[in-house]
Amino acid sequence: QKEVEQDPGPLSVPEGAIVSLNCTYSNSAFQYFMWYRQYSRKGPELLMYTYSSGNKEDGRFTAQVDKSSKYISLFIRDSQPSDSATYLCAMSARLDDMRFGAGTRLTVKP
Amino acid sequence: DAGITQSPRHKVTETGTPVTLRCHQTENHRYMYWYRQDPGHGLRLIHYSYGVKDTDKGEVSDGYSVSRSKTEDFLLTLESATSSQTSVYFCAISESALGGYTFGSGTRLTVV
Repeated sequence: QKEVEQDPGPLSVPEGAIVSLNCTYSNSAFQYFMWYRQYSRKGPELLMYTYSSGNKEDGRFTAQVDKSSKYISLFIRDSQPSDSATYLCAMSARLDDMRFGAGTRLTVKP
Repeated sequence: DAGITQSPRHKVTETGTPVTLRCHQTENHRYMYWYRQDPGHGLRLIHYSYGVKDTDKGEVSDGYSVSRSKTEDFLLTLESATSSQTSVYFCAISESALGGYTFGSGTRLTVV
């Protein structure tokens, strides 16, 4: 079993839909949780960063962490075609050991 | 990507040859990382550095070595390239170990 599991998709939604992306993990020591967005043939870019449990909102993006269930989510409201990308979850227990999910490919259709 | 550049962007090399990939940053960040990205595996850490001449192994370090003689440069060397090392390699930097990473644009390496 991988430490971080992420459904690879692909996920296709119409423009304006609410998108839910999820990851599960097995290491209860993870405390730092991140979401990255990666466009085709580009490097990942940091979208959201949260510490421990709870919610964090930034514009159309909301990150949720449920440590009791070992489950994290990223919600995208009013999705746009420009949101089409691969979304990677990432998490770490120690300050120097980041674990990434394999990524979910999202397409938002006009 | 602002502040971090990788070279070359693409490379094709033969099995058994040494290959060096370069990561250069202008952000003066302490931490630098090398990852490889493969379908179904996501990003896996090869080596990282927490200062000049201070490096450590990551999850998939076999067959790779690194050097960091200056804050701004982090080199990844494949000592004798194999086909299993065909991958996209990303360098990342971070100001502190608590923060998120800034990634370069990647090097697409093919070993034939």
